[in-house]
Amino acid sequence: GAGVSQSPSNKVTEKGKDVELRCDPISGHTALYWYRQRLGQGLEFLIYFQGNSAPDKSGLPSDRFSAERTGESVSTLTIQRTQQEDSAVYLCASSLQTGNQPQHFGDGTRLSIL
Amino acid sequence: QQPVQSPQAVILREGEDAVINCSSSKALYSVHWYRQKHGEAPVFLMILLKGGEQKGHEKISASFNEKKQQSSLYLTASQLSYSGTYFCGTEGRGSTLGRLYFGRGTQLTVWP
Repeated sequence: GAGVSQSPSNKVTEKGKDVELRCDPISGHTALYWYRQRLGQGLEFLIYFQGNSAPDKSGLPSDRFSAERTGESVSTLTIQRTQQEDSAVYLCASSLQTGNQPQHFGDGTRLSIL
Repeated sequence: QQPVQSPQAVILREGEDAVINCSSSKALYSVHWYRQKHGEAPVFLMILLKGGEQKGHEKISASFNEKKQQSSLYLTASQLSYSGTYFCGTEGRGSTLGRLYFGRGTQLTVWP
């Protein structure tokens, strides 16, 4: 596609439920990143994938968070047993490769935990 | 690891200049600058790699002092369209290459 596509754009769910967020990167981009942005805050790094290398999971805040990527295409971020503090906008970005490359962001998924 | 941005907010009249600073406590490989308008995705402005490097985008330019681990974004003759939140993202070397740490942002408001 022309840009990074994320779905759903909004998700409201009850505390304790699992949610799955999807990211479709720009075609040909080997690197894919997930960030969390709380209201009025900066972007918090969560995880990134580069080609077939093991993902850098160092930013995942707890074991309730996990992410997968199929080859160099779609990625899903899963949050299990959601908590109210998980409420945020989750942004996905992709770049041609890792390191010294501009990151192109999707519009994000706004997650609200009731 | 999060860089420190200053100031937190800037209010300008159209045509005025502004400087936004970004500093890190870690050795840096590169500094990225992004602008985010309310409710929208961040948009890439520029990357600076080498110490002393300067780049420009429209009337927005930036510098990177590798030794001081600092970068500054210069907005000259500001336009209404420059309003938004500016984030710097810093990238370290070695095992952290590829991982961007963003500052808390500088909110820029330009009035006519």
